[in-house]
Amino acid sequence: GENVEQHPSTLSVQEGDSAVIKCTYSDSASNYFPWYKQELGKGPQLIIDIRSNVGEKKDQRIAVTLNKTAKHFSLHITETQPEDSAVYFCAASISTGFQKLVFGTGTRLLVSP
Amino acid sequence: EADIYQTPRYLVIGTGKKITLECSQTMGHDKMYWYQQDPGMELHLIHYSYGVNSTEKGDLSSESTVSRIRTEHFPLTLESARPSHTSQYLCASSGTGNSNTEAFFGQGTRLTVV
Repeated sequence: GENVEQHPSTLSVQEGDSAVIKCTYSDSASNYFPWYKQELGKGPQLIIDIRSNVGEKKDQRIAVTLNKTAKHFSLHITETQPEDSAVYFCAASISTGFQKLVFGTGTRLLVSP
Repeated sequence: EADIYQTPRYLVIGTGKKITLECSQTMGHDKMYWYQQDPGMELHLIHYSYGVNSTEKGDLSSESTVSRIRTEHFPLTLESARPSHTSQYLCASSGTGNSNTEAFFGQGTRLTVV
């Protein structure tokens, strides 16, 4: 089955810096890669996603890149703010009639003012 | 704001008790999921459902059971709670059809078995 690895497990940056979180996946049939943000006491919430027919996607300060050949994808947050502090999860999914997301192990991002 | 609700938010219960964690969504989603989130943050899929009367076990073995009698409702039951069941349980749902779409999560139920 699919296996998703995520690094780093913890990331501390100063406000205004950029943050990068990286994930690798094992199953070349995976074709959907969402990123979720989980704030304390809440469930994960989708912040951006990318499909395998696209190499990069941006939404304001957030961008995701996908390298299908190397089977890795990354989340980039620019101009970080304290409210970006949360746990971020990458995930991968194969569209074979049922969407079963496999999550990475999570990255705890701390943005210091 | 996602229209998926979990109750209770917190539950402390004694060993051997039967419990049911409730999950409801009002988005008409076919697919629903239960994830167990351990203190190390990892999310493990324990149950999922394609639709009414369909339930499947996930990647992580669990002693819990689920049912899907109505589209909007996907309760999880533990017949006899044990301290090893202490965890955060997250319910999610996603859209219709075969295409991959956003999964919406509830706020979770934090279960403590003493």
